[in-house]
Parts: sequence; structure tokens; C-alpha cells
Amino acid sequence: KQEVTQIPAALSVPEGENLVLNCSFTDSAIYNLQWFRQDPGKGLTSLLLIQSSQREQTSGRLNASLDKSSGRSTLYIAASQPGDSATYLCAVSRGGNNRKLIWGLGTSLAVNP
Amino acid sequence: NAGVTQTPKFQVLKTGQSMTLQCAQDMNHEYMSWYRQDPGMGLRLIHYSVGAGITDQGEVPNGYNVSRSTTEDFPLRLLSAAPSQTSVYFCASSPDRRGQFFGPGTRLTVL
Repeated sequence: KQEVTQIPAALSVPEGENLVLNCSFTDSAIYNLQWFRQDPGKGLTSLLLIQSSQREQTSGRLNASLDKSSGRSTLYIAASQPGDSATYLCAVSRGGNNRKLIWGLGTSLAVNP
Repeated sequence: NAGVTQTPKFQVLKTGQSMTLQCAQDMNHEYMSWYRQDPGMGLRLIHYSVGAGITDQGEVPNGYNVSRSTTEDFPLRLLSAAPSQTSVYFCASSPDRRGQFFGPGTRLTVL
């Protein structure tokens, strides 16, 4: 049974720091992995999608890597800003007709001015 | 494009009442799904659909019904609301390999 774990559960950093959020999964047979951002009381914004055949994806100050063999993904945020404060969730999918996403519980990030 | 839209944003029900949560997307995605988000449990799949006329159960389908008469709409019906259904509900759609896109959510409280 696929399980997704995110460490740390919460993180507080000063503005400007580079930081890494971790996501691990127990079954390497994934179709893709997706990172989301959730602001308090809001919906889920897709940040980056990594297909199983890819090693990393980049968007602006965000870089996500995927190592299927070790069951790990990292989300790297460069030069963090107070506006980056949110909960970051990772989810994996086996693909196919179901496309069910298995979710971690998220990392709550606070970037302090 | 409006993307994925959900109505209502907030709803309070009494135990035993029924209601329908609306979800619509204008991206012509074949795949749509419903999740619920609960503290400490993450998001869990309720029902999904791979196209108009086709629906299937996720991991927590009990107490919920869905239908998919058009590509655009995927309503979620609560037949007889229970306090255990207090949650935040998210609808999503997917164009296959480009991941999934979520609506803003409906926050439901059942008293």
C-alpha cells in the first residue's frame, strides 16, 4: 500500500533563505508526482508535476526532483519570501483510469520578514 | 478559462438533510474526481469519472453519489448528511499526463 510522508511537518525560516521540503513514498511504481501549495482556507494550486521518467522540474524559484528508486522527492525553494508562506503538499499517482492521488500531510511553511 | 469551479463555498446542514455540491470545468477534461480533506488524514478520493456516463468509487464512497451526464459537470450528492461528513470537499479535473487541477473547495459543516 502506497504511503506518502512529508518531513518536516512545519518549518519557519527567515526571508531570503533557500530551503528544501521532503516527500517520501513507499512504492516506487508511480506514474507521476505532483507538488501543490495550499493557502489557509483556500484551494490547491499545482506547482510542479514530475512524470515518472523525469528527474526534475523547474518553475521560477521552485525546483522539484524525483528519485524513484529511493522513493524520494524534494521541493527546493530559492530565496524564500513571506508570500511563500503556505502548506506544501506532495501527491503521487499510479496513473491509469483511476489516477487516484495518494497524499502526504504537508509541510506548513512560514517565511518571516 | 474559469478552470474548475465549485459551489457553494460554504454550507451548513443538519443531520439527515441532503444536498448537492456542484463542480464544473471548462477545459474539456475527461477525468474528474472528488476528494475530501480532513485534519490529520490528508485528502482522500471519494468518487471519480473517466468520461461522461462513467463513474467509479474511490476509497471513501459511502454516503455519497455522483453522476456525469456531461463532460463539464460532476456533482456530488450527499444523500443523508452525517456529522462525519463535515469536511472540506475538493473537485479536480485532469487532462491525463498534465497532472490534476483543483477547484477552490466547499467547506461543509453537518450539525
